[in-house]
Amino acid sequence: DAGVTQSPTHLIKTRGQHVTLRCSPISGHKSVSWYQQVLGQGPQFIFQYYEKEERGRGNFPDRFSARQFPNYSSELNVNALLLGDSALYLCASSLEVVGELFFGEGSRLTVL
Amino acid sequence: SQKIEQNSEALNIQEGKTATLTCNYTNYSPAYLQWYRQDPGRGPVFLLLIRENEKEKRKERLKVTFDTTLKQSLFHITASQPADSATYLCALDLSGTYKYIFGTGTRLKVLA
Repeated sequence: DAGVTQSPTHLIKTRGQHVTLRCSPISGHKSVSWYQQVLGQGPQFIFQYYEKEERGRGNFPDRFSARQFPNYSSELNVNALLLGDSALYLCASSLEVVGELFFGEGSRLTVL
Repeated sequence: SQKIEQNSEALNIQEGKTATLTCNYTNYSPAYLQWYRQDPGRGPVFLLLIRENEKEKRKERLKVTFDTTLKQSLFHITASQPADSATYLCALDLSGTYKYIFGTGTRLKVLA
């Protein structure tokens, strides 16, 4: 069975640009969450979507937005990129709103 | 504000010994506590989930305890092996919300 897939795996952007990261959850999982992980730190919660509705939002600026599609895949968008947005962006899916998280391998974003 | 603390320093132990990792939290009342393993450059992998009304949970060589009075969880790996070397993250749900808060992780190194 396919796990959580994320794309792209690596990308380099410059300050002020925009980025879109994509995530496909495990088949049957209706919840998708996004996390940002800076080197040496634990993952930090950005968003959770369940049944295409936003169910939670972390302490991130409005430059960060996300959505979930009818097939439960999800996109994370970040506008006006800053150097500090450089991180590993992790997508996690779960069967229900709460429960164990299944993570993808992440999208490594470097902002120059 | 809510805070999770894990041993920030790396833990080195000899093969065959029991590794014990600590997760302390303040200003939380979590319904669940989870432990994840993360290898360098990879997404976290779920290991165990323990509920607030459970004192202990076991899975093969892994054991987790959850003391809601002390606000602490202990994670044990018995008969440790070099393959157990990784960073271990604890995560708590914020009761009544849909987000998980992760600790910074403890890096474990099992020496052959």
